[in-house]
Order: sequence, then C-alpha cells, then structure tokens
Amino acid sequence: TQLLEQSPQFLSIQEGENLTVYCNSSSVFSSLQWYRQEPGEGPVLLVTVVTGGEVKKLKRLTFQFGDARKDSSLHITAAQPGDTGLYLCAAPNSGYSTLTFGKGTMLLVSP
Amino acid sequence: GAGVSQSPSNKVTEKGKDVELRCDPISGHTALYWYRQSLGQGLEFLIYFQGNSAPDKSGLPSDRFSAERTGGSVSTLTIQRTQQEDSAVYLCASSLVTRSSGGESPLHFGNGTRLTVT
Repeated sequence: TQLLEQSPQFLSIQEGENLTVYCNSSSVFSSLQWYRQEPGEGPVLLVTVVTGGEVKKLKRLTFQFGDARKDSSLHITAAQPGDTGLYLCAAPNSGYSTLTFGKGTMLLVSP
Repeated sequence: GAGVSQSPSNKVTEKGKDVELRCDPISGHTALYWYRQSLGQGLEFLIYFQGNSAPDKSGLPSDRFSAERTGGSVSTLTIQRTQQEDSAVYLCASSLVTRSSGGESPLHFGNGTRLTVT
C-alpha cells in the first residue's frame, strides 16, 4: 500500500505570510492531485500535476511535482483567511481505480 | 448543475443499530466512491463502483459494512450492528472515468454524512 506523508500536520499563520506544505512518498506516481476541504464540506480539487518537475500556478497558489514524481509541494503567497482549510494530496492506486489520500495539512490563517 | 448529494447530513444512532447512508452522484458519472474520514486519520477508501463492473470492496473494514449501487446511479452504504469506532464522516464521491483519463479523473465529493454512534 502506497503512503502519502503530508507535513506539517497543522499550520497557524497570520494573514500576509507565505507558507509551503509538502506531500512525500517512497512510491513513484503517474499523477498527483491536491484538494482543499473546508469545515462541513467535501474536498474540492485544486489541481492535478502529471509531469515530473511540473509547476502549476493557481492565483496565489503554486504547485510543484518533484522531478522523480515521488513528492509534491504547495506554496501559498500572501495567505488570506479564505485559504483556511485542510489541504489534501492524493494519488491513484496501482490499479488506477481509486485515489489514496494523505492525512492532510490543516491551515489556519488569522486576520 | 447539481453536485453530489448525500443524506442524511447527520445521523446519531445507538450502538448495535443498523444505519443506511445515501449518495446521489452527479448525473452521467460512471464511477462512485465511498470514503470514511475520522479525526486525524485522513480519508480512508471503503468501496468503488465503476459502471457495471464488480465493485472494489477491498477497503471495507468488516463484514458489517456493505454497499450497493442501483441502476448505476444512487448508492447506499449500510453499516450493521454499529459500533462506536464507526463514528466518522462518510464521504461519497463520483467521477467521470474514461479510458484516457484513468487515475487523473478528479473526484467530486458530497458534503458527507456525520455518523455518531452512542
């Protein structure tokens, strides 16, 4: 069973700060997805990365897929309270039928 | 269009009782998934339905858990003889899986059913 390790588990910062969260594994993935989950709601897809070394930007969020396709990072510039939520990374299992999720990074951005 | 709908949103039940959780996927989505989310444990895969294929039940934690998907649409997750450790948020997701998209198909989640077993 492939494992996705996310760090840190919890991050509390002030509005305007920058941050990076990580998703690591010993397995190689064909692709990796990032989701954000707000309280009382289901996770919502932010981005899918598929190519080693790929960098994708979504406004103030920058996603990177490692060259070896074993890890990924999410960098947020000038965080805002609306960025508060649980950030989850996920990768397809070996049969490409389901997604395996990491335990997530809980981000709290205070005004 | 409508997203994934789950009901009830909250369910409190006594230990030993059976519960049924319902999921209405996005129309036209061929794949349907059930996950369980416990505090500090992340999302745990339970079961996966794809079209008319036999479901992947490899994530079901015990034989007290079962699920069915009728007519390729609505799904029901049933937990028999509930235990306190079954307390969690049960999330349903659907996706439009094609041969080309494979594992990159995004999952569209409902808001979950919060189950509390007392």
